[in-house]
Amino acid sequence: SAVISQKPSRDICQRGTSLTIQCQVDSQVTMMFWYRQQPGQSLTLIATANQGSEATYESGFVIDKFPISRPNLTFSTLTVSNMSPEDSSIYLCSVSDGGNTQYFGPGTRLTVL
Amino acid sequence: AQSVTQLGSHVSVSEGALVLLRCNYSSSVPPYLFWYVQYPNQGLQLLLKYTTGATLVKGINGFEAEFKKSETSFHLTKPSAHMSDAAEYFCAVSSTGNQFYFGTGTSLTVIP
Repeated sequence: SAVISQKPSRDICQRGTSLTIQCQVDSQVTMMFWYRQQPGQSLTLIATANQGSEATYESGFVIDKFPISRPNLTFSTLTVSNMSPEDSSIYLCSVSDGGNTQYFGPGTRLTVL
Repeated sequence: AQSVTQLGSHVSVSEGALVLLRCNYSSSVPPYLFWYVQYPNQGLQLLLKYTTGATLVKGINGFEAEFKKSETSFHLTKPSAHMSDAAEYFCAVSSTGNQFYFGTGTSLTVIP
């Protein structure tokens, strides 16, 4: 399976600021995904990021709040914009193996004060 | 539409005892089913998956799960719990491999 890294691993941010999270994969993958895991809850898909096209957002998530870049087949970024305490979560990226399985990165733990 | 229900948000077992974590799903198409484990302060690690073929699947760390279509279940078991098994476990269903639906998770505590 692919090896996935995320930066930063954790951060504490002030209300109103933005944070960009990076996801790096050690092999080329077509599809990358961004999830949010709010405290004590399960994972919710934010968007699907394919290289060369705009990200596809799930209901309840918008590009202005969560802009995503996918410049190549091994890298993606998720920005959490104009943050509020409600954005405090773990943000995870995942990649598809080209079939039916997703593999997850270690996550970015975000606290907004 | 697809969904996953994990019965029991918290499960406690004694070290050496059987681990049973329950997962029921709903899907209008043949599903792919997954169990992931999340250790404290870490991401999700794939434990095992069912796609096609044998309904009893074996995963890492001695875990296994059985796909029972008639019961729409995919329960996770391990014969003998170890302290290192303490973690959060998530069941997930997908029909395409892209859109995953996760259960709310089960926190497993292992009592020495």
